[in-house]
Amino acid sequence: SAVISQKPSRDICQRGTSLTIQCQVDSQVTMMFWYRQQPGQSLTLIATANQGSEATYESGFVIDKFPISRPNLTFSTLTVSNMSPEDSSIYLCSATSVAAKNIQYFGAGTRLSVL
Amino acid sequence: KQEVTQIPAALSVPEGENLVLNCSFTDSAIYNLQWFRQDPGKGLTSLLLIQSSQREQTSGRLNASLDKSSGRSTLYIAASQPGDSATYLCAVPSGGGADGLTFGKGTHLIIQP
Repeated sequence: SAVISQKPSRDICQRGTSLTIQCQVDSQVTMMFWYRQQPGQSLTLIATANQGSEATYESGFVIDKFPISRPNLTFSTLTVSNMSPEDSSIYLCSATSVAAKNIQYFGAGTRLSVL
Repeated sequence: KQEVTQIPAALSVPEGENLVLNCSFTDSAIYNLQWFRQDPGKGLTSLLLIQSSQREQTSGRLNASLDKSSGRSTLYIAASQPGDSATYLCAVPSGGGADGLTFGKGTHLIIQP
């Protein structure tokens, strides 16, 4: 299995600012993903973080709002830009690999509140 | 576009009962299905992954079945315990060549001592 660490675990931010969330995996993985879980809702896929190239975004999510980096096989960041109260959610990182038989492992998430 | 539905949305039962949680998906062209558990304030824990070639998978008191052609999966929990209280999520690959997951809204389970 893979152990995924996310930082920060929670934050309270002001409207109009940006927050960068870090995701570190303890082993090399093939795929890394970012999800959003809005209050009372299930998880929605934001994007696939691709190593060394631009992330692949799902419908409704754009790079200007959610820039993502993945400089190597074990680390990725998600930035929530120009935040508004509607961005208040839990943001989760996940990872998988062929060695893990495609089981997706998740971090504990970052609980973001925007005032 | 893949859609996942879970029934029931919530369930509260006394300890010791056997439970069945249901999951359905609209696009049967999946290569696996995964069941997760989410505890309040925590991330997701993978419970079981069923490959499309399998019909069921077991782990301890948990058994998950997959009927790909009908677009259904069930999670069976035997001899439920208070520690099983959590939200159970079903997820399938989103499709279109992506490995990201589409989730159902989950079943919020409470096991009464």
